[in-house]
Amino acid sequence: DGGITQSPKYLFRKEGQNVTLSCEQNLNHDAMYWYRQDPGQGLRLIYYSQIVNDFQKGDIAEGYSVSREKKESFPLTVTSAQKNPTAFYLCASSIPGRQGAGGYTFGSGTRLTVV
Amino acid sequence: GENVEQHPSTLSVQEGDSAVIKCTYSDSASNYFPWYKQELGKRPQLIIDIRSNVGEKKDQRIAVTLNKTAKHFSLHITETQPEDSAVYFCAASSGTLMYSGGGADGLTFGKGTHLIIQP
Repeated sequence: DGGITQSPKYLFRKEGQNVTLSCEQNLNHDAMYWYRQDPGQGLRLIYYSQIVNDFQKGDIAEGYSVSREKKESFPLTVTSAQKNPTAFYLCASSIPGRQGAGGYTFGSGTRLTVV
Repeated sequence: GENVEQHPSTLSVQEGDSAVIKCTYSDSASNYFPWYKQELGKRPQLIIDIRSNVGEKKDQRIAVTLNKTAKHFSLHITETQPEDSAVYFCAASSGTLMYSGGGADGLTFGKGTHLIIQP
């Protein structure tokens, strides 16, 4: 069963702590993305990666970091520099450059809360 | 870069009536327009998409129309049912590999419409 798996589903972070959100896909997609979703703000792009060992900042990259050591994996670290990290985080993947090929496939999300 | 505006932010309709959600885009190079449905606490899922060489596409009770000249596209849901209640997102893409505000495929999302189906 191909798809994207995000873990954990719920995550609690203490002030000043770094946390890492996992995103794994077995769709053989080259491109992967991280979005942050806040009420009334839609989906805002944090980071994206078109290929292994390469990634680019999105619209709201400050306070976040990523790595892309494997095609299947694109973990997101929320650092202590991110002042308002409470949000719903969505990972997605796609076949880059092939518009219309089903669009993005999304993971089920991680809800991060600062305590 | 691309800018996608989506209206309304909230739409309430009676069960059985039709619902229309509208989006405008700014980049005339955009040529792929998907719509996603997100139920509460779940992942967005692609429900229908359209390419710029087509003016309308239908899939059972849902349809999407595209007006390239006016740079707007709309989602139409007929005979609405309770399970249609969700947040709907439109998006636009130029299909390029260069980042244009939406990632490798250039997907830029609207802010979403919360569709409420009243029984």
